[in-house]
Amino acid sequence: KQEVTQIPAALSVPEGENLVLNCSFTDSAIYNLQWFRQDPGKGLTSLLLIQSSQREQTSGRLNASLDKSSGRSTLYIAASQPGDSATYLCAVKRFGNEKLTFGTGTRLTIIP
Amino acid sequence: EAGVAQSPRYKIIEKRQSVAFWCNPISGHATLYWYQQILGQGPKLLIQFQNNGVVDDSQLPKDRFSAERLKGVDSTLKIQPAKLEDSAVYLCASSLTTRGSAGGANVLTFGAGSRLTVL
Repeated sequence: KQEVTQIPAALSVPEGENLVLNCSFTDSAIYNLQWFRQDPGKGLTSLLLIQSSQREQTSGRLNASLDKSSGRSTLYIAASQPGDSATYLCAVKRFGNEKLTFGTGTRLTIIP
Repeated sequence: EAGVAQSPRYKIIEKRQSVAFWCNPISGHATLYWYQQILGQGPKLLIQFQNNGVVDDSQLPKDRFSAERLKGVDSTLKIQPAKLEDSAVYLCASSLTTRGSAGGANVLTFGAGSRLTVL
């Protein structure tokens, strides 16, 4: 059974700093991995999707990396802004199974 | 493009009562998902539809939860009778992915969710 873990559960950093969020998964037979953002009272917004054959994806100030062999992914946020404050969730999808397995999320607070 | 619509946004009921949630996916999206997100946890898939057929309902508590997707468009999720542990946000999502496509990019679009409090 796939288990997805995100540590830390909460993180506070001053505005302008670069930061890294971590995601680990137990079963490396994944098809892809996605990073989502969730704002309070709102649904999830997909940020980046990395296929199993890829090692990283970039979108603006966000960069996600994937190391399948070690069961890890990181989300790097450059030059953090107060608007980046949200909960960030990673989710993995297995081959032959459309279901996404989510981590518990990291609640990020950027301090102005 | 209009997003995934869900209603009601908030619902408070007493245990053993019933509740129903409605979802209207993005037009043309064949796949529809219902997720349950308990406070402090990641979303957990309850049921997945491909058009109006069920693809995966392995984590749906079938003794109290039911879901349907009429005509392959809108969907309703019902809980009867509700328990305290059903307090959660119920998220609906949809995607273009069709079964047998090896998954494809499968980017899900989520609705804002329906927050249920069971007292």
